[in-house]
Amino acid sequence: DTGVSQDPRHKITKRGQNVTFRCDPISEHNRLYWYRQTLGQGPEFLTYFQNEAQLEKSRLLSDRFSAERPKGSFSTLEIQRTEQGDSAMYLCASSGGQGARMNTEAFFGQGTRLTVV
Amino acid sequence: AQKVTQAQTEISVVEKEDVTLDCVYETRDTTYYLFWYKQPPSGELVFLIRRNSFDEQNEISGRYSWNFQKSTSSFNFTITASQVVDSAVYFCALSTTYQAGTALIFGKGTTLSVSS
Repeated sequence: DTGVSQDPRHKITKRGQNVTFRCDPISEHNRLYWYRQTLGQGPEFLTYFQNEAQLEKSRLLSDRFSAERPKGSFSTLEIQRTEQGDSAMYLCASSGGQGARMNTEAFFGQGTRLTVV
Repeated sequence: AQKVTQAQTEISVVEKEDVTLDCVYETRDTTYYLFWYKQPPSGELVFLIRRNSFDEQNEISGRYSWNFQKSTSSFNFTITASQVVDSAVYFCALSTTYQAGTALIFGKGTTLSVSS
C-alpha cells in the first residue's frame, strides 16, 4: 500500500442517476477526508471520518450526498439524483498520528472526476 | 473566519528563473498549521510542507524555500532555478484545530508554467 487510491478515476453519468465512489486510505491512517474540487478552484472540504465515525460535515454536503466508512478502513461517497452542478473532481485524503502530532499532513488520492450530462 | 488568499492566478517563467508564490492567510486561532501542496496535471495533490504557528523559522529543501511571517500573515513559497517539471498548480492551505483532524482550507491556487 503506497498511497490513497480512489475508484473510479472517471465517471460520466446522466442527470438524476445515483453514483458511488470508493476511497482506500493509507492502511495505518485513522482519519479520512472527502473534498470536492471544481475547475480553477482549490479543494473544498465535504466531510471527515475518524475511524468509522463521521465527525464533521460541511454545509456543502447536501441531503443528496452520503458518506460511509463502515469498518474504519475504506470509505464510500454516494451522490443521489445527480445534478449538473455536481460535476467536479472528488478527492479523498487520509492522515494519521497520535497525541500531539494529531494534526499531520493529509495524503491525497488522484481523485474521481465526475461529469453529469 | 478562516481564509487563504493566493493573489497570483498564473505565473509564467523561463527555466532557471527564481519564482515566488504568495500566500496570505486569515485566522483568529493562535494555533494553526500552514501547508503547501503541488497538483501536477495528473491531479494528485502532493504534500510539500507543513508549518505550525509557533515555528517561524524559514525552511529550505533543495530548490524550495518557505518564508513564514506571522506579522504579515504570509507563508510564501520560492522555487529557485525553476525547471519544467515544476509546472503545476500550487495550493496553500490552512488548518486551525489542533486536537482534531480537521479539514484544510485551501486557497484558489497558483498555476505555474515553466518553459524551456
